[in-house]
Amino acid sequence: NAGVMQNPRHLVRRRGQEARLRCSPMKGHSHVYWYRQLPEEGLKFMVYLQKENIIDESGMPKERFSAEFPKEGPSILRIQQVVRGDSAAYFCASSGQGDQPQHFGDGTRLSIL
Amino acid sequence: DQQVKQNSPSLSVQEGRISILNCDYTNSMFDYFLWYKKYPAEGPTFLISISSIKDKNEDGRFTVFLNKSAKHLSLHIVPSQPGDSAVYFCAASYSGTYKYIFGTGTRLKVLA
Repeated sequence: NAGVMQNPRHLVRRRGQEARLRCSPMKGHSHVYWYRQLPEEGLKFMVYLQKENIIDESGMPKERFSAEFPKEGPSILRIQQVVRGDSAAYFCASSGQGDQPQHFGDGTRLSIL
Repeated sequence: DQQVKQNSPSLSVQEGRISILNCDYTNSMFDYFLWYKKYPAEGPTFLISISSIKDKNEDGRFTVFLNKSAKHLSLHIVPSQPGDSAVYFCAASYSGTYKYIFGTGTRLKVLA
């Protein structure tokens, strides 16, 4: 499967725990984007990364959220000390160049108990 | 402030007829627009895009029209098929930023 791969597909955490969401971009893509979708809403941009660099994190909450895209391995979105309001679908997208259409993975559905 | 608006939450169309999905935007800086289709429990799938230097782009059954003066774009699907039943999102971005601003989606149901 050459598409954008996200895992896990579903993640359940208790309040206060950490959530780690992984994203492997399409083969040949070096640009990664994270979006969050709350129920009945559109996708909201969170962060844009290239290998080892955060390019735009204007959509990231200032606290508890961080993202990385290391030289080797998948991009990681980390949410520390999760709260109920973090429950959402988190989508990762990738593109070959920054101005090419973004292709999305199937998302990680995060549920906070 | 919702910069990209899809005012119709749902739309039903008979198979074989035309589906027209609408999208309005408020930010005149937007210069690139896209349509995505989304099935339940899947990620959005890219359908078609248009740059602000054009007013129409066509790909098979899908055509996107852009009216810059009205800040309005639409997606036409002709002929509509039952497999087109999904949620359709329009998205916009502008040069120098690569983040997409999404509308809230329109649920299309194509009746057989």
